[in-house]
Amino acid sequence: TQLLEQSPQFLSIQEGENLTVYCNSSSVFSSLQWYRQEPGEGPVLLVTVVTGGEVKKLKRLTFQFGDARKDSSLHITAAQPGDTGLYLCAGLRSGTYKYIFGTGTRLKVLA
Amino acid sequence: DAGVTQSPTHLIKTRGQHVTLRCSPISGHKSVSWYQQVLGQGPQFIFQYYEKEERGRGNFPDRFSARQFPNYSSELNVNALLLGDSALYLCASSLVGSHSSQPQHFGDGTRLSIL
Repeated sequence: TQLLEQSPQFLSIQEGENLTVYCNSSSVFSSLQWYRQEPGEGPVLLVTVVTGGEVKKLKRLTFQFGDARKDSSLHITAAQPGDTGLYLCAGLRSGTYKYIFGTGTRLKVLA
Repeated sequence: DAGVTQSPTHLIKTRGQHVTLRCSPISGHKSVSWYQQVLGQGPQFIFQYYEKEERGRGNFPDRFSARQFPNYSSELNVNALLLGDSALYLCASSLVGSHSSQPQHFGDGTRLSIL
């Protein structure tokens, strides 16, 4: 059972466009992480959000944790070809050591 | 500094065989987690070990087992391999295994193919 649903599953956009990826669940998480994974490599951590309503910025990437800590979003401004990859959210369930990964969003940015 | 290293990088086995995958965490990291990533999906949690003890287990059959050694490296063993075990197996290390939001650092995985 996949507890974290990401949308969209696939996204192909032109360089310079903006986009938002969503990560939704009916469960509450004590923290949530976003990763980017490229072919043949392991996921690379982008950010960790812990507090409900928290917003973090990493250059052109903006991450938000929902007030109820059940959902999160990743917004990319002025996407570049180097942003291409599989974006994964992962939630840590309260009282456990288990990170639950989302279904993933595959982003392709065309030059 | 060396990141998380996994070996082998690729492996081909046949149904019914067993396999051992290895992981060396980042120096100083005491927690290791194992994940299975089937093509087109997000990673699925298999195990977490901290200080040589199992801290968490995902919904995987008993054919899957793991252990952590005194130097914090880890092995994942899978017995009686099935076609459905074909996947990328990822190892992640973190400083401590706790309830907090410790960042996980992933290796590049072992690609296991079952024929």
